[in-house]
Amino acid sequence: AQRVTQVQPTGSSQWGEEVTLDCSYETSEYFYRIFWYRQLFSGEMVFLIYQPSFDTQNQRSGRYSVVFQKSFKSISLVISASQPEDSGTYFCALSELITNTGKLTFGDGTVLTVKP
Amino acid sequence: EAAVTQSPRNKVAVTGGKVTLSCNQTNNHNNMYWYRQDTGHGLRLIHYSYGAGSTEKGDIPDGYKASRPSQENFSLILELATPSQTSVYFCASGSRDLSQNTLYFGAGTRLSVL
Repeated sequence: AQRVTQVQPTGSSQWGEEVTLDCSYETSEYFYRIFWYRQLFSGEMVFLIYQPSFDTQNQRSGRYSVVFQKSFKSISLVISASQPEDSGTYFCALSELITNTGKLTFGDGTVLTVKP
Repeated sequence: EAAVTQSPRNKVAVTGGKVTLSCNQTNNHNNMYWYRQDTGHGLRLIHYSYGAGSTEKGDIPDGYKASRPSQENFSLILELATPSQTSVYFCASGSRDLSQNTLYFGAGTRLSVL
């Protein structure tokens, strides 16, 4: 069974600082993907970045990057030069590739506040 | 621009009543999903579909039915609504093409069952 855990219910940073949000997961599959989404205060879900399990290179997209530790089944989202507009709830989600159903299993999220 | 539209955006229902939540996507995606999100928690999968005419149970299907009459439309049906089904419901669509890797979410429907 899949399970995703985000142990930090909240986080904060000052404008310009680098922020790291942590996620751990459980899966019995070899091929999977880990996604990061941000939920705006309106409720809208915004896709940020994803990491495929078979890629040893940490993915980057703009100010977002991940630190993928496959052997520990953990992944961290790193936001560089954080801005107040980055405030919101960040979700980690797991999708197993073998069935390609696209189903996502979500963690409970981390509420990030970036102070000006 | 990928688009998933949910209606209604807000709904108040009475216990025991029937509720239908609708979702329309213009992405030409095969896969569609219904999730619910309770306060302070992540999204949990209720039902999903691979295409017109198909529905599959997700992780928490009890008390819900789904209908996929066409590629574009996917409905979630609560035949006998209960207060425990008060939540925010999200619809999403996704491609079976692995090169298109993300799901696209609707804006959500806030349902209150009194």
